[in-house]
Amino acid sequence: AQRVTQPEKLLSVFKGAPVELKCNYSYSGSPELFWYVQYSRQRLQLLLRHISRESIKGFTADLNKGETSFHLKKPFAQEEDSAMYYCALSGYQGAQKLVFGQGTRLTINP
Amino acid sequence: KAGVTQTPRYLIKTRGQQVTLSCSPISGHRSVSWYQQTPGQGLQFLFEYFSETQRNKGNFPGRFSGRQFSNSRSEMNVSTLELGDSALYLCASSRDTGGGELFFGEGSRLTVL
Repeated sequence: AQRVTQPEKLLSVFKGAPVELKCNYSYSGSPELFWYVQYSRQRLQLLLRHISRESIKGFTADLNKGETSFHLKKPFAQEEDSAMYYCALSGYQGAQKLVFGQGTRLTINP
Repeated sequence: KAGVTQTPRYLIKTRGQQVTLSCSPISGHRSVSWYQQTPGQGLQFLFEYFSETQRNKGNFPGRFSGRQFSNSRSEMNVSTLELGDSALYLCASSRDTGGGELFFGEGSRLTVL
């Protein structure tokens, strides 16, 4: 069965501090992993995907197949990073069918 | 260009009624998927349509159905509403299937009394 676990419902860090949002997954094949973000009063939108291997808004995420993790990291948090973050997995059936984690609400304190 | 548009944005129904929600994808996008979001279960996949064909279906009862039209617009229907169907229903579109970014609408918030 496909499952995505985000162990932290809430995460609060100070501006300028490093931030790491954890994501672990369960999938027997080769998954495609995503991070989606929802800023206040905005739509859910893609932040980054592991295939791209790029940094978006200073965030990076590395797929670790051995630990079945896809943690999201940023070295220096900014206040505008405050948002709800969802880790999502797509299996062999294609990217439209995403399995989402429960989400982590990140708050950056000034 | 215009984003994914969902109507209605808010609606209230009573148990036993049925509801139809509409989704207009981004122009040029041929794939539409639907998700249910609740505080308890989070975001759950309902179904996916591409070129008027249902490609995938989530683990929901048969009361939940959908369709896609030739212009890629999609509707989902929930019959015999139950209290537990109260949720935010999100529609997402992408250019095609298999690996593309999903663009989400603002959702239709359904309250069942």
